[in-house]
Amino acid sequence: EDQVTQSPEALRLQEGESSSLNCSYTVSGLRGLFWYRQDPGKGPEFLFTLYSAGEEKEKERLKATLTKKESFLHITAPKPEDSATYLCAVQALGSGTYKYIFGTGTRLKVLA
Amino acid sequence: NAGVTQTPKFRILKIGQSMTLQCTQDMNHNYMYWYRQDPGMGLKLIYYSVGAGITDKGEVPNGYNVSRSTTEDFPLRLELAAPSQTSVYFCASSYSGDSYNEQFFGPGTRLTVL
Repeated sequence: EDQVTQSPEALRLQEGESSSLNCSYTVSGLRGLFWYRQDPGKGPEFLFTLYSAGEEKEKERLKATLTKKESFLHITAPKPEDSATYLCAVQALGSGTYKYIFGTGTRLKVLA
Repeated sequence: NAGVTQTPKFRILKIGQSMTLQCTQDMNHNYMYWYRQDPGMGLKLIYYSVGAGITDKGEVPNGYNVSRSTTEDFPLRLELAAPSQTSVYFCASSYSGDSYNEQFFGPGTRLTVL
């Protein structure tokens, strides 16, 4: 069964304290892996798409990496405005419907 | 561009009532989606559409209906609301269904069924 698991569920960091969020996945065939940011009371906002093992993408303090079984979202020197829930999703091959499977997210809190 | 807009933002329904959640996008996207998000659960796909006049079921379609008469609009209909439909509903759109085109999400509708 296709599955996406994110860890940890919640993470508290001091401002400037770098860390990583994990997204492990099991799918029959990977079309792409997505990272989204979701602020309270809002819809998810797209961050990155990764397509193949070894690929990396960066945006400001965030860097996403991908292996054959998992992806990491590295946060370098985070600031309080980075506080949000970070969602991982995979797009799997399957019956032509391009289905997306979302993880349950990691709630990040960055303290000043 | 307003992107993806949803109305209403909040709604309380009584068991057995019906309602329509509205979704409009102004990006000329072909694909549109409805998801529900429950606490501690990932987003679950309810219905999706690949273009005007074409809709298909997602993972959790029971209790819902959709239509797509225009490219811009993708309303979600709840018939005979049940407490299990208490959730936050997100509409999303993308240019195509492949992984090269990310999904853009609306702000959500928080629905409570009592």
